[in-house]
Amino acid sequence: AQSVTQLDSHVSVSEGTPVLLRCNYSSSYSPSLFWYVQHPNKGLQLLLKYTSAATLVKGINGFEAEFKKSETSFHLTKPSAHMSDAAEYFCVVSDRTNKLVFGAGTILRVKS
Amino acid sequence: GAVVSQHPSRVICKSGTSVKIECRSLDFQATTMFWYRQFPKQSLMLMATSNEGSKATYEQGVEKDKFLINHASLTLSTLTVTSAHPEDSSFYICSARTGFQLYEQYFGPGTRLTVT
Repeated sequence: AQSVTQLDSHVSVSEGTPVLLRCNYSSSYSPSLFWYVQHPNKGLQLLLKYTSAATLVKGINGFEAEFKKSETSFHLTKPSAHMSDAAEYFCVVSDRTNKLVFGAGTILRVKS
Repeated sequence: GAVVSQHPSRVICKSGTSVKIECRSLDFQATTMFWYRQFPKQSLMLMATSNEGSKATYEQGVEKDKFLINHASLTLSTLTVTSAHPEDSSFYICSARTGFQLYEQYFGPGTRLTVT
């Protein structure tokens, strides 16, 4: 079965510094991977997706993620954090039936 | 962008009663809607997949007689928690799919259910 592990439940960074949210996946076949963001009282929003094309994926708001098959990782990065990036982030893999399997989430805190 | 709403955002009900949660796609038609459940500090778990005009498909371990799902139109799906118990207290999230690509799901803001 497909699964994702988000290695940090909470990440705290200062505004203007880089963001790294870590995600490892388990899949018996070539997966599709996604990052979603959830701001308080808002619906989950798709940040970016990997669907077997380029391994470096660029998303919205300056985020990007790199698919590394050898490491089974799909870490989310951003060069410079903004206060508005504070939210909960979910790494997601699709299973064989195209259902979404969510990681436990990482809460990102951005300090001024 | 596509917007999905849920109503109510929060609901408190007494044990043994039923509560209905609505999920609406506001500016698009959704052939498929999904219902998820999120426990505190845990990830979203898919409960069921709902296709307009047909019966919902429930995930293993989800009681279909307890969690009634209706998808009567292309813009509305409802989840009814019947004979609610305190262990049903959770955060329920719906999403709607517009196209063939899985990632084209738009999520609602969620409904916090508390059963006393």
